[in-house]
Amino acid sequence: AQSVTQPDIHITVSEGASLELRCNYSYGATPYLFWYVQSPGQGLQLLLKYFSGDTLVQGIKGFEAEFKRSQSSFNLRKPSVHWSDAAEYFCAVGAGSARQLTFGSGTQLTVLP
Amino acid sequence: NAGVTQTPKFQVLKTGQSMTLQCAQDMNHNSMYWYRQDPGMGLRLIYYSASEGTTDKGEVPNGYNVSRLNKREFSLRLESAAPSQTSVYFCASNRGSTDTQYFGPGTRLTVL
Repeated sequence: AQSVTQPDIHITVSEGASLELRCNYSYGATPYLFWYVQSPGQGLQLLLKYFSGDTLVQGIKGFEAEFKRSQSSFNLRKPSVHWSDAAEYFCAVGAGSARQLTFGSGTQLTVLP
Repeated sequence: NAGVTQTPKFQVLKTGQSMTLQCAQDMNHNSMYWYRQDPGMGLRLIYYSASEGTTDKGEVPNGYNVSRLNKREFSLRLESAAPSQTSVYFCASNRGSTDTQYFGPGTRLTVL
């Protein structure tokens, strides 16, 4: 069975600083990978996804992520964080499909003015 | 186009009571899902329906039942609620096995 680890429970950055959120997965073949964002009291919104092809994927709101098979990682990055990026971020993996997703425990992002 | 809708938004139950959480999508998606979200644990899949007429267990199905009423609607039933079922419940849908899942706004359930 697949698994996902988000090592950072909480990250604090200053507005305008760069951001990297870590995600490591465990799955034998090429996984389906997702990053979702959740604002307080809201549902989950897709930021970006990787199914195959180019390992650097661009998403909404200026986010990008890079799939590194050798490191079993799919880290999320943004060059300059905005106050509105404060939210909880979830990495998810699908084993061979986008059906039975396994989610990480999430990383809470705080943005300082 | 409302996407995925869930009712109710909030619910408080007493131990042993039953209730049904409703989910509907207007995107003509084939597959629908129910998750629960607990602090520090991310989302965990309860049940899913790959297509109309089929349902399958996810990671944490005990204490729940589901019904795929038609292509649009997928309900989650708690027959005898327990405090351990206090959680936020999310419904999601997608076209199929290679498509992104789209989530509803959630139902916050408290079982006393």
